[in-house]
Order: sequence, then C-alpha cells, then structure tokens
Amino acid sequence: RKEVEQDPGPFNVPEGATVAFNCTYSNSASQSFFWYRQDCRKEPKLLMSVYSSGNEDGRFTAQLNRASQYISLLIRDSKLSDSATYLCVVPTGGFKTIFGAGTRLFVKA
Amino acid sequence: NAGVTQTPKFQVLKTGQSMTLQCAQDMNHNSMYWYRQDPGMGLRLIYYSASEGTTDKGEVPNGYNVSRLNKREFSLRLESAAPSQTSVYFCASSEGLVQETQYFGPGTRLLVL
Repeated sequence: RKEVEQDPGPFNVPEGATVAFNCTYSNSASQSFFWYRQDCRKEPKLLMSVYSSGNEDGRFTAQLNRASQYISLLIRDSKLSDSATYLCVVPTGGFKTIFGAGTRLFVKA
Repeated sequence: NAGVTQTPKFQVLKTGQSMTLQCAQDMNHNSMYWYRQDPGMGLRLIYYSASEGTTDKGEVPNGYNVSRLNKREFSLRLESAAPSQTSVYFCASSEGLVQETQYFGPGTRLLVL
C-alpha cells in the first residue's frame, strides 16, 4: 500500500457542482495534513491545513477521519478557476513529507 | 517580497554534463527542501536542510548533492546528469519543521538527453 493514495481522476464537473476527493494515508502517527493546489506547469500552493477533525474555508471543506486514515476535500459551487490538480500532503515526522500524486479536477462551463 | 525563487527555469543537458540549480528565499525561513516531480508521481524529497549549516538526504538523493550556502540559499547539483534525472525540480522552504506550510518556488524543468 502506498503511503498516500489519491484517486488520480480526472473529475469532470459542471460549474456550480459539488465535488469531493478522498486521500488515504498509511502512517497512523501523522498529526497534521494538508491540501495543496497545483495549476498546470506551476508550483504547488497551500489550499488548506487540517490539524484536527476538519477545517472550512469558504467553499472548501477538509475533513479528517483518523480511524479510517483518510482525509477528504469538498468543493462546493465549483468555479472554472477551481480547475487544477489537488495534492494530498502528509508529514510523517521530522522533515519527511509524503505527497500524493494528485487528483485532477476540470470544471466546465 | 519574492518568496522562493529558482534559476534556471528551463535547462537541457546532455548525459554526463553537470549543472547547479539555484534556490533562494527571502522569508527568513530556517528549513529548505529540494523535490522532484515526475508524471503520475507525487513530489519526492531529494535533500533537505533543517537549518543553516545542515543538510540531509531525502527519499531519492542518489546522483545529487546540495549546499546550504547561507540561510537564504540552497543549491542542488547534478554532477553527471542521466536521462533518469529528467524531471521538474521544485525548491521549497518553511519556517521550521515540515509540519508547517511549505512555500514552493516556480520550478526548474530539466531535460537530459
């Protein structure tokens, strides 16, 4: 089992739709989690951090399920500008961080 | 405030050539990292520097060396480039431990022929 696994997608959704991505992780000791957004041919940028059960920022909600070892990202009222790759990031201790391969999202008009 | 900068943006090398990728940050961060990103794979850590004066191997260090020149600058050197090192290289920095947000540079696209 990979240390961090994501559904690669792509997810194709219309504007205004709600879409959710899941990410599973194997290291039960991980305490903090992140979602990064990466636009095509650009660098990753922090979208949200998750330190407890969840976090909400506008249209974006991240939830953590420690028992099942997964985190999810929910995007409500999708915009064209949400089209990107979403990376699940799990620090595993010290300076080691595991990046998921990413889930691609396409939002269409 | 430029954040994290990287040079060059693009580079084409022949097998066996050497080059140094430069990275600098102006956020007074203690920790810096070098990653490579390949299609279908997550970013993989090559080397990191927890603080000025220290460097450590990451997940995929073979074929690379690094130098933490000062608190701002962290360079990555390929001594003898191989086609397997064709990738996009990202430098990142964070205030301290990796559990904190990492800030990435724009990346260097390297093609080794």
